[in-house]
Parts: sequence; C-alpha cells; structure tokens
Amino acid sequence: DAKTTQPNSMESNEEEPVHLPCNHSTISGTDYIHWYRQLPSQGPEYVIHGLTSNVNNRMASLAIAEDRKSSTLILHRATLRDAAVYYCILSHTGNQFYFGTGTSLTVIP
Amino acid sequence: EPEVTQTPSHQVTQMGQEVILRCVPISNHLYFYWYRQILGQKVEFLVSFYNNEISEKSEIFDDQFSVERPDGSNFTLKIRSTKLEDSAMYFCACRGYEQYFGPGTRLTVT
Repeated sequence: DAKTTQPNSMESNEEEPVHLPCNHSTISGTDYIHWYRQLPSQGPEYVIHGLTSNVNNRMASLAIAEDRKSSTLILHRATLRDAAVYYCILSHTGNQFYFGTGTSLTVIP
Repeated sequence: EPEVTQTPSHQVTQMGQEVILRCVPISNHLYFYWYRQILGQKVEFLVSFYNNEISEKSEIFDDQFSVERPDGSNFTLKIRSTKLEDSAMYFCACRGYEQYFGPGTRLTVT
C-alpha cells in the first residue's frame, strides 16, 4: 500500500476548527483514504474514509484534493476529547492497514 | 452500538509460555484481524482472517503465532512460546463498513 506523510504533531484551541493534513503522492486509483484516531490507552477508532469526493459524517469532514495526492481531515470544533493520534491510511481492499506514526493532536483549553 | 470485546485486558506470562488472547467480534462481521502495538511504537498488522482461513499475514506473524475461530463468536490469537519482545498491546479488529477495533489486551512477558 502507498505511503502517507503526516505532521508529527499539531495543536488546536478548544472549540476551534482543526485541519489535519495528509500527503499521499503515490496513491493509486483504487486506494481509499481512511482516517482513524487513537485516544490514549485505547484501540484505534474509525473516523472517516473516502475515495474521490469530499465526505462528511457526524465526527468529521474529509476533503480530498482533486488529484488525490493529499487530503485533509477537518474537525469542525475541537474538544478536549479529540486529543488523540490521527492516522491517515491508504488501502484498496479495506483489509490489512499499515499505520504510520500519525499526527498527535493536542487540544488547548 | 455493537463493539468488539477482548479478554483479558492484561496478561502477564513468563517467557516460553503459551498465551491465548481472546476476542469477540461484532456478530455479523466476516473479516477479522489482529494487530499489535509495542509501547511507544506504531500499530502493526499481524494477520487477517476470512472464511475460516488466513487471508493475509505480515512477516511478524511467524510460526509462533496462530489464529482460530473456534466457534461462531470467538476469535483467538495464540502465541506458542512467548518471547520478551512479544510484550505489546494486541488489538483485535473486524470489518463491516470499516474496521472496528477492540480495546486491546496488554501482554507482558517476563
């Protein structure tokens, strides 16, 4: 599966929007973009996924660049409970996921 | 909301002993996975399981590891002879719309 690049860490103020970027310049046409997050001492948790079009769900929005070489996870209003490591993962099967180091999000009260 | 459960939450074992980690996936899911996360490191894929057989495995998943779905609900990971370096969090996952992970079992090998 293609590699993704994410910043090691980001900070956000509580109740402000957060944009978490992910670069995936070697993405193939059939790769889905998946976002998971891992809260401290917990298992990874599904956030959102998409293929080409922007996606919204109750947790977040996913903005996918037109050339699909990058994407951005948007948390519309960060809360303290959103402090976690966020992983951007590419997979065309939805099966084995290869996690990178992700972005550690700190939310400042 | 249905969830994946794992038992035990923490297992301590001596080097060379066998351990079995147990998972109860979400009931109508058909794909099952094990991952591990050594403290402070990345989550690593171990194995995927579908239709009662292994569909993919990583190079970590050597002959010391085995998986089984002994009945319609449980999914187990067995480590035959544990080593110190097997100490990690082990996460079970299953797939419906997306992969859903359990809370993990912390394995400590002494």
